[in-house]
Amino acid sequence: GQQVMQIPQYQHVQEGEDFTTYCNSSTTLSNIQWYKQRPGGHPVFLIQLVKSGEVKKQKRLTFQFGEAKKNSSLHITATQTTDVGTYFCAGPTVGNEKLTFGTGTRLTIIP
Amino acid sequence: DGGITQSPKYLFRKEGQNVTLSCEQNLNHDAMYWYRQDPGQGLRLIYYSQIVNDFQKGDIAEGYSVSREKKESFPLTVTSAQKNPTAFYLCASSSQYDRVYEQFFGPGTRLTVL
Repeated sequence: GQQVMQIPQYQHVQEGEDFTTYCNSSTTLSNIQWYKQRPGGHPVFLIQLVKSGEVKKQKRLTFQFGEAKKNSSLHITATQTTDVGTYFCAGPTVGNEKLTFGTGTRLTIIP
Repeated sequence: DGGITQSPKYLFRKEGQNVTLSCEQNLNHDAMYWYRQDPGQGLRLIYYSQIVNDFQKGDIAEGYSVSREKKESFPLTVTSAQKNPTAFYLCASSSQYDRVYEQFFGPGTRLTVL
């Protein structure tokens, strides 16, 4: 079945440093979604990418969808303590009836 | 105020007991989902439902059961057959809007088996 992997599993950065998480799918995706889960909280939708090679920005966050639509990345510039949490990518199955979530990257910030 | 509610927030049960987790949404979404999350792990799909009176097994359905009698409700029963039920359970719903398939999550229920 479809598998979605993320690296790294954990990332500790000094406040102000940049952070990147990478997402790889075993199958071509029609779209890719990113979610953020704060410690003790529930996942919250951040963005959806649809087009091959698409790049979208949300303030300090930059999301990219690969040309082959099998990989994606999330880059955070100049991390802040509010960025702490686990970032998940998710890809839909054929027909968009359900999502396969990635393994997640847990970001901790060293003040 | 639209959203998804899950109750209770914390639940304790004894081994051998069935327990039902509630999930209600007032977003008028057709699709609803149940996920299980273990500490430091990702989300694993238990069951999902695209329409009322219909649901499908996810990746880890064994030991769980669901019903979808109303559009806004999708309760999950954790049966005594589930070998290791202690986990964080998340309910979600979604509706295709302008081809965006965002899932909205409830606050979750933390189940502990004593």
